[in-house]
Amino acid sequence: DQQVKQNSPSLSVQEGRISILNCDYTNSMFDYFLWYKKYPAEGPTFLISISSIKDKNEDGRFTVFLNKSAKHLSLHIVPSQPGDSAVYFCAARVSGSARQLTFGSGTQLTVLP
Amino acid sequence: NAGVTQTPKFRILKIGQSMTLQCTQDMNHNYMYWYRQDPGMGLKLIYYSVGAGITDKGEVPNGYNVSRSTTEDFPLRLELAAPSQTSVYFCASSQHGRELFFGEGSRLTVL
Repeated sequence: DQQVKQNSPSLSVQEGRISILNCDYTNSMFDYFLWYKKYPAEGPTFLISISSIKDKNEDGRFTVFLNKSAKHLSLHIVPSQPGDSAVYFCAARVSGSARQLTFGSGTQLTVLP
Repeated sequence: NAGVTQTPKFRILKIGQSMTLQCTQDMNHNYMYWYRQDPGMGLKLIYYSVGAGITDKGEVPNGYNVSRSTTEDFPLRLELAAPSQTSVYFCASSQHGRELFFGEGSRLTVL
């Protein structure tokens, strides 16, 4: 039973355009959401997060949107750069859960020059 | 500042062998975790620890054991290795639980 789903295994975008990565969740107890970025042969690195009390969080070129009623979040990257090519994981945390994260299966983003 | 360090980076085991994946962090984080990532899948939690002397099972603990005798170290023990344990293993740590810092991973193949 996948509680965090990333339905698009891959996404290709032209350099300079917007990349939109999507994530759906089923557990209404999730109160904190994160995006991680992973390059080959490296561990995931934290990118951006959002609390369930907000609907938007922005950090430079990266913006995360949360739609609680739809149990959906998305990561926008504007403008996309070739160095953004990586696997992006969505993750979620249940309140009071010893900070355990549940991860989605990831989306491979390729930014074409 | 090394962050989270995992050893070894690569290992091949025969079925039935045992081994320990080492993980150490130098950030004085209370929380530590072991995840595994199978091809095309997300990271699944094996075990976690909220502090020295305290460990608990995650989503996929069968076939593994952990210990946490110090704040810095959180080794993962594989007993009687099976092909289903072929995976990439990630250790992570966190201070407040808001974001996890991951090691570079250990790729294990069981033949």
